[in-house]
Amino acid sequence: SQQGEEDPQALSIQEGENATMNCSYKTSINNLQWYRQNSGRGLVHLILIRSNEREKHSGRLRVTLDTSKKSSSLLITASRAADTASYFCAPGGSYIPTFGRGTSLIVHP
Amino acid sequence: DAGVIQSPRHEVTEMGQEVTLRCKPISGHNSLFWYRQTMMRGLELLIYFNNNVPIDDSGMPEDRFSAKMPNASFSTLKIQPSEPRDSAVYFCASSPPGLQGTDTQYFGPGTRLTVL
Repeated sequence: SQQGEEDPQALSIQEGENATMNCSYKTSINNLQWYRQNSGRGLVHLILIRSNEREKHSGRLRVTLDTSKKSSSLLITASRAADTASYFCAPGGSYIPTFGRGTSLIVHP
Repeated sequence: DAGVIQSPRHEVTEMGQEVTLRCKPISGHNSLFWYRQTMMRGLELLIYFNNNVPIDDSGMPEDRFSAKMPNASFSTLKIQPSEPRDSAVYFCASSPPGLQGTDTQYFGPGTRLTVL
């Protein structure tokens, strides 16, 4: 299996600010996915970026991928209190992706 | 469309009792995953089925844990006997056919297990 490692472990910001979280992995991938988990709920898929893509946008989300550095970042712009959640990356290849500990994001209203 | 269905949502049991958690994956999905989540250990993959066959059970903690998938629409995770350290939230997830490791996983709401 291939595990992503999210950084930082915790992030606390004010509403309206941008939030950036990072993911590192160790082996080659076909794609990388980001998931969100609200407290007490299952993970929800946010966005998938393929290994031949460098950047992808979805609404207020922007994901970058640098395969040479084996890293990805998730940027949430103009954050809202409702963005408070844990965020996980899942590197995908010919193996089963596993999840790291995630980044816990708190957005203060 | 219904998502992944898990039951029960909450389970409180006493040490030594048998616990059975159930999962119905999304129709048409052929991969199913069982996870356990705790504050201490994070989200751990327990077992992965593909086309009803267990492919990777290296995450199953010990012989007290067993999982089955008798058909494409049902899976169980059984703990016998249960212990307090098994207390956690157990998630089931499914994903559609495709290259292993590249498909989006759809998570159920989880079963919160408390073993007293």
